[in-house]
Formats: sequence, C-alpha cells, structure tokens
Amino acid sequence: KNEVEQSPQNLTAQEGEFITINCSYSVGISALHWLQQHPGGGIVSLFMLSSGKKKHGRLIATINIQEKHSSLHITASHPRDSAVYICAVGAYGTYKYIFGTGTRLKVLA
Amino acid sequence: DADVTQTPRNRITKTGKRIMLECSQTKGHDRMYWYRQDPGLGLRLIYYSFDVKDINKGEISDGYSVSRQAQAKFSLSLESAIPNQTALYFCATSMGTGWFYFGPGTRLLVL
Repeated sequence: KNEVEQSPQNLTAQEGEFITINCSYSVGISALHWLQQHPGGGIVSLFMLSSGKKKHGRLIATINIQEKHSSLHITASHPRDSAVYICAVGAYGTYKYIFGTGTRLKVLA
Repeated sequence: DADVTQTPRNRITKTGKRIMLECSQTKGHDRMYWYRQDPGLGLRLIYYSFDVKDINKGEISDGYSVSRQAQAKFSLSLESAIPNQTALYFCATSMGTGWFYFGPGTRLLVL
C-alpha cells in the first residue's frame, strides 16, 4: 500500500461542476502540499497546509489530521482547470516528501 | 523571468553517454532537489541539498551524481546513461519546509 494515495485517478467533469479530489496518507506529516501539473509538464504549488482549510479563488483545500486525509475542491470548474493534481506530504521529522501519483482532471466545455 | 530554470528542456542521448542537467534559481532558497517522474508513478527524489556543503542521496540515486556549485545552482549528472533513465526530470527549491517551486522539467530520452 502506498503511503500517499489519491482518488480518483482520473476524473472527467462538465464545465461548472463542483470537483473533489481526495488524498489519504499513512505517515505522520509536518505539512501537506497540493500541486498542479499542467498538460505541458510544468508543476505549480497550489496549497501548503498542516491544519484546517485554505481557499484561493475557486480552489479550496482541507485537511483532517486525525483521519489523515485531505481534499482539494474546485468550484465552478472550467476547462482551464484541466491538469494533473498531485498531493505531497512532508513526513514528520524528516526531509522526505512523499508524492501521490496524481489525479488527472479533464473539464469539458 | 522564471524563478527556477532548467537546461536543457529536452535531450536525446545514447546509452553510455554522460550528460548533465542544470538547474538555476533566483528565489534565494537554501534547499534544492532533483526529482524524476515516470508515467504512473509519483515524483521520486534523486538527490537533495540543504546548502552548498550539504548534499544527500534520495531514494533513487544510483546512476546519478550532483553538484551544488553555488546556492543558486544544482546540477544533475547521469554518469553513463541507460534507457531506464528515460524520464521527466524536475528541479525544485524550497526555503526550509515551505512552498515548493519547480522548474519546467527536462524530458530525457536515452536510446
């Protein structure tokens, strides 16, 4: 079992839909990152969080430390949101970041 | 200009050749990382450096070496390239355990 698991692996949505991507992890963490990888390959950091909830524009990230689970929500999805979304956790007390395999999102117009 | 740059962006080489991938950053960050990405797998750490004099192996360092020439520069070398090193390579930086900043990636094909 991977230490970081994301679901779903692939997701197709219609423009305007509310989207949820999940990340579960099995290690103690110092922080959790959500990243966006564009179709061209570039990776951008979206959020870093260690508790609670953060919001940036139409994106919302939440984390439940007790349940070792995080979600990334996209409200009013748009075709430009099409990308791979990657969850990464910083393992507590180490240098190590563990990356999920990503969720490939396609938003149709 | 981009905060983290990588050169080359694409490279085709032959088995047995030595190649170098270069990374430069303008963020002033102390930590620099080299990752590789393969289809269906998460990013995997090759090497990391917390400052110029501190270089450490990651989980898949065999066949690779690195050099931190300055705080802003971190190079990855493939000593003798082999086909299973074909991958997308990313350099990343962070200040401590803060936000990651990734370079645009280098697509490497080893024939």
